[in-house]
Amino acid sequence: DTAVSQTPKYLVTQMGNDKSIKCEQNLGHDTMYWYKQDSKKFLKIMFSYNNKELIINETVPNRFSPKSPDKAHLNLHINSLELGDSAVYFCASSNVGEQFFGPGTRLTVL
Amino acid sequence: GIQVEQSPPDLILQEGANSTLRCNFSDSVNNLQWFHQNPWGQLINLFYIPSGTKQNGRLSATTVATERYSLLYISSSQTTDSGVYFCAGTFGGSQGNLIFGKGTKLSVKP
Repeated sequence: DTAVSQTPKYLVTQMGNDKSIKCEQNLGHDTMYWYKQDSKKFLKIMFSYNNKELIINETVPNRFSPKSPDKAHLNLHINSLELGDSAVYFCASSNVGEQFFGPGTRLTVL
Repeated sequence: GIQVEQSPPDLILQEGANSTLRCNFSDSVNNLQWFHQNPWGQLINLFYIPSGTKQNGRLSATTVATERYSLLYISSSQTTDSGVYFCAGTFGGSQGNLIFGKGTKLSVKP
C-alpha cells in the first residue's frame, strides 16, 4: 500500500508548456506539501495545504499553483514552463509531526 | 534566516566501518527528521527525533535540542547505506515548513 504517491514519475516537456503533477496520500493526514529538489540536491518547501487552505506559500513564481480537490490530494500546476523549472518535485503529507514523502517527479524542461 | 548545517558534506567508508553524521541548527527546533535518499532518489524516513535518542537496527540518532544539534550513527556500514543523508527540521512558530540541510553524501565501498 503506497502511502504517498505521485504521477507521473518522469515528465519531459518543452519550454512554454503547461503541466500538472498529481499527488495522493492514503494516510489520513491533514496537511500536504510540495518540495522542490534542485540539481545540487537542495530541498526547499514550495507550498503546503491544511484542510484545503494554503498555509505556507514560499516565494515561488506565480506560474506555480497548488490545487487541492480534497484532503487526500494536492496537485501542482505549472504554467509557461521555463528551463529553470527542471528539478525533482516531491509531495509530502503529515499531521502534526513527522512528514512522509512521495517518490518524486523528475521534471525536465527542454 | 534559519540555518541547518550538516557535516561532513562527503564521506567514504569501507564496508563494516562506523560513522557519525552531524546536523547543527541555528534556532529552537520543533520537529527534527533524518532521511536517506537512496541512489534511485527515494526519500526514506529514518528517524523522527525532536529530542532524545532512538535506535533502529544499525542506525541510531540523538537530538540535543537545547544545544541545537542532532547526530546520526551508522554502525557496521553496508554498501546499501550509500546515498545522501538529510536532516530537516521545523522551527519557531511554524509547524509544517521543513528546512533541510544540504546533506551528507555517503559512499560505502565493498
